[in-house]
Amino acid sequence: DTGVSQDPRHKITKRGQNVTFRCDPISEHNRLYWYRQTLGQGPEFLTYFQNEAQLEKSRLLSDRFSAERPKGSFSTLEIQRTEQGDSAMYLCASSGNTIYFGEGSWLTVV
Amino acid sequence: DAKTTQPNSMESNEEEPVHLPCNHSTISGTDYIHWYRQLPSQGPEYVIHGLTSNVNNRMASLAIAEDRKSSTLILHRATLRDAAVYYCILYTGRRALTFGSGTRLQVQP
Repeated sequence: DTGVSQDPRHKITKRGQNVTFRCDPISEHNRLYWYRQTLGQGPEFLTYFQNEAQLEKSRLLSDRFSAERPKGSFSTLEIQRTEQGDSAMYLCASSGNTIYFGEGSWLTVV
Repeated sequence: DAKTTQPNSMESNEEEPVHLPCNHSTISGTDYIHWYRQLPSQGPEYVIHGLTSNVNNRMASLAIAEDRKSSTLILHRATLRDAAVYYCILYTGRRALTFGSGTRLQVQP
C-alpha cells in the first residue's frame, strides 16, 4: 500500500499521559498536514509542513501539542498531559498536487 | 478562504444518479473546486476537482457553472458504498484544505 499510513490506529490513554502519533506520507509528497476531527464535525486543520519546515499552525494547536517532521519524511504529533477534550480522530494527509488522507488515529482519553 | 454552502443531507435510491450541489458565490479566480468524501470511521477520500471545465473520472463527474459560483458533484449510479459525507472545498493549493460540514448522503436499497 503506497498511501498515507498512520500509527497507531487506536489509542486509549489515561488523562495526564502523553501520546504520540506517527504519520508516513506518500513518499514523493513534500507537504504533510495534521487535522483533528471530533464526532459529527468536519476535520479541523492543525498544522502543515513543507518538507521539514512547519509553515503554519492553527490556534487549535495548544502548547501541549507539538508536531515534527525531522527529515522531511515521516511526522509525529505529540500530545502532552492529555485531557478528555483531546479525544478525537487525528488525521494526517500529504500532497503533491492533490491532498490524500490517511485512515486516522483514534484517541480516547479516559 | 472563500466559503461553500451545501445541504446538510440528501437521500438517494440505489442505482439512481445523485446530484450533490455546492454554492460558492465568493469564489476567486485561483480557487479550484475540490470534492472529498468521508465514509464512516475513515479518513477523507479525494473524489474529484476542477477549475472551470466539467471533469469526469472513474468515481464521479463534476459540473461547474459558467460563472463558477456553483458546482454539482454527480454520482452516476449510487451504491450503498457511496453513503458518506461529501465535502465541497475551494482550494488554491497554497495552504491547507478547510472543511465545512458537508452533505450527508444516505443511499436506500
